[in-house]
Amino acid sequence: QSALTQPASVSGSPGQSITISCTGTSSDVGDYNHVSWYQQHPGKAPKLMMSEVSNRPSGVSNRFSGSKSGNTASLTISGLQAEDEADYYCSSYTSTLVFGGGTKLTVL
Amino acid sequence: EVQMVQSGAEVKKPGESLKISCKGSGYSFTSYYIGWVRQMPGKGLEWLGVIYPGDSDTRYSPSFQGQVTISADNSISTAYLQWSSLKASDTAVYYCVRHRLWHDYWGQGTLVTVSS
Repeated sequence: QSALTQPASVSGSPGQSITISCTGTSSDVGDYNHVSWYQQHPGKAPKLMMSEVSNRPSGVSNRFSGSKSGNTASLTISGLQAEDEADYYCSSYTSTLVFGGGTKLTVL
Repeated sequence: EVQMVQSGAEVKKPGESLKISCKGSGYSFTSYYIGWVRQMPGKGLEWLGVIYPGDSDTRYSPSFQGQVTISADNSISTAYLQWSSLKASDTAVYYCVRHRLWHDYWGQGTLVTVSS
């Protein structure tokens, strides 16, 4: 199972919306809904932001939403805030788990 | 409250062995998989593998099979990640996670530094 493909960086201004993509194959992202997203601030442990493509854990802002189309999953953040600046990772689980390479979100 | 509390930072020499730990609390330890995730300096997340303490079922990423050993001691609700012979390339932060096809709880991370 190869690593999932994410853009290295995305940016947006406060209040705007951004979308981070996560591309796999028909054997992982395309065939299963076991896609999750994590946020990591510098020096901190990652935090679960989305599970099973679009399930938002308790306590995560409803500005975060997830979706999937074909072999690509997406995380959308609306109403960007300065605190959203972080690294974001997707993952997909089949018999093992694989992460994407990570996307650095910069809030301009 | 669910917590995953990891052992402290380690500094080792190449060739030495090491075992780091992760204590789960606030939930039924034997009812959830526990996994390990590596993050090398300045790099992304890598999944090493998981163990189901209930029956010791263990699965490894093909990239890490044979490189590390994952185990658990149910009597003290603790999972372990161990190396028999460390390499400089093992230098990283290692996170333990509660695994449910996704990782809902993370430990604080254990920094392992391997240097001569």
